[in-house]
Amino acid sequence: DTGVSQNPRHKITKRGQNVTFRCDPISEHNRLYWYRQTLGQGPEFLTYFQNEAQLEKSRLLSDRFSAERPKGSFSTLEIQRTEQGDSAMYLCASSLSAGATYEQYFGPGTRLTVT
Amino acid sequence: SQKIEQNSEALNIQEGKTATLTCNYTNYSPAYLQWYRQDPGRGPVFLLLIRENEKEKRKERLKVTFDTTLKQSLFHITASQPADSATYLCALLIYNQGGKLIFGQGTELSVKP
Repeated sequence: DTGVSQNPRHKITKRGQNVTFRCDPISEHNRLYWYRQTLGQGPEFLTYFQNEAQLEKSRLLSDRFSAERPKGSFSTLEIQRTEQGDSAMYLCASSLSAGATYEQYFGPGTRLTVT
Repeated sequence: SQKIEQNSEALNIQEGKTATLTCNYTNYSPAYLQWYRQDPGRGPVFLLLIRENEKEKRKERLKVTFDTTLKQSLFHITASQPADSATYLCALLIYNQGGKLIFGQGTELSVKP
């Protein structure tokens, strides 16, 4: 297994454009999380899925953000009408719901720059 | 809502010394606390979990303590090495909310040879 992968690794877009990021979790992990991280801060929780069900969304996640996890495998995070404040690192993590340590495995992140 | 804070100032120590990082939290509800390491441009990597009923947890040169009275966790790296230089994040795991993590802002550790 190659761990959690995210694509693209970097994305530069103009304000007002839509962007979509993809996360491929570890195959047997049923939980998938999205976080956002800005410079000098820790990751902030955005949303999580158990299998294909999206069970919680942070208040940080405005109506411009939407996430899906069809068939409980990979997930996509879409940001519509991007704003400069959306510039951040978007991290995906996966875990087992019954793990002994509840360890989350993080991907390398997608760095978004909105110009 | 839960809030978690770490020393925002970078910690600089000499190789071979013990590094001690602090994590304080408020509005605690039953949860677990995890520590992660993050290198520049990479995602966090899990190090240790400590449960509310555990005072101390060790893993090789790492030691974590959890004081629910003080609402504080201390993270120690003994015999520190330059390769330990990274940002260390503590996170409250909200067990009854799908295991989501609430992270502190992280403390940057620099170990000088």
